Amino acid sequence: QVQLQESGPGLVKPSQTLSLTCTVSGGSISSGDYYWSWIRQPPGKGLEWIGYIYYSGSTYYNPSLKSRVTISVDTSKNQFSLKLSSVTAADTAVYYCARVNYGSGSYLVDYWGQGTLVTVSS
Amino acid sequence: SYVLTQPPSVSVAPGKTARITCGGNNIGSKSVHWYQQKPGQAPVLVIYYDSDRPSGIPERFSGSNSGNTATLTISRVEAGDEADYYCQVWDSSSDPSFGGGTKLTVL
Repeated sequence: QVQLQESGPGLVKPSQTLSLTCTVSGGSISSGDYYWSWIRQPPGKGLEWIGYIYYSGSTYYNPSLKSRVTISVDTSKNQFSLKLSSVTAADTAVYYCARVNYGSGSYLVDYWGQGTLVTVSS
Repeated sequence: SYVLTQPPSVSVAPGKTARITCGGNNIGSKSVHWYQQKPGQAPVLVIYYDSDRPSGIPERFSGSNSGNTATLTISRVEAGDEADYYCQVWDSSSDPSFGGGTKLTVL
């Protein structure tokens, strides 16, 4: 059974960089069968894609966040990470890491982490 | 980005049928996936590729997709079905996107 676990600070000051890591167990990031994604959800609001990474390092970022986002992968540790720079209160959200499965020309999320709340506040 | 439009809320009495729509330009040409999210929990996939059910999801959950509207149908609604539901589309011709979500209330 694949499991994903987010880790990182729950409080970040405005203008600083938010950093989170997702540790994957029960499956290998290097298998090449999946994409690895970050998704966030502001309190009381809907889901928003942040971006994804393939084990090879190729990435996609949401155009609205692209200038501030970096997603990286460490296959030796079976982890992938998110960095979001110059954060503001609008970046306060529950951040989920997720596994994206591909088939029949479409992508879907089949496993989610439990989510971690990150609050941006001084 | 590909825009998906959902009604903010749907209400239904127990035992009745709930229908949650997801609108998008020619969405019938795409595969739509549906997630259920209960308070304080991560989303769970309930329908994929328009109408397939993952193992463990009750047969009461079904989906369809045609024209400009995809629909998640929940038959014989139970109190435990009360949740937020999100549609999602992502393929080679569109960036990943979620609908805005629909809150299902069981009266």
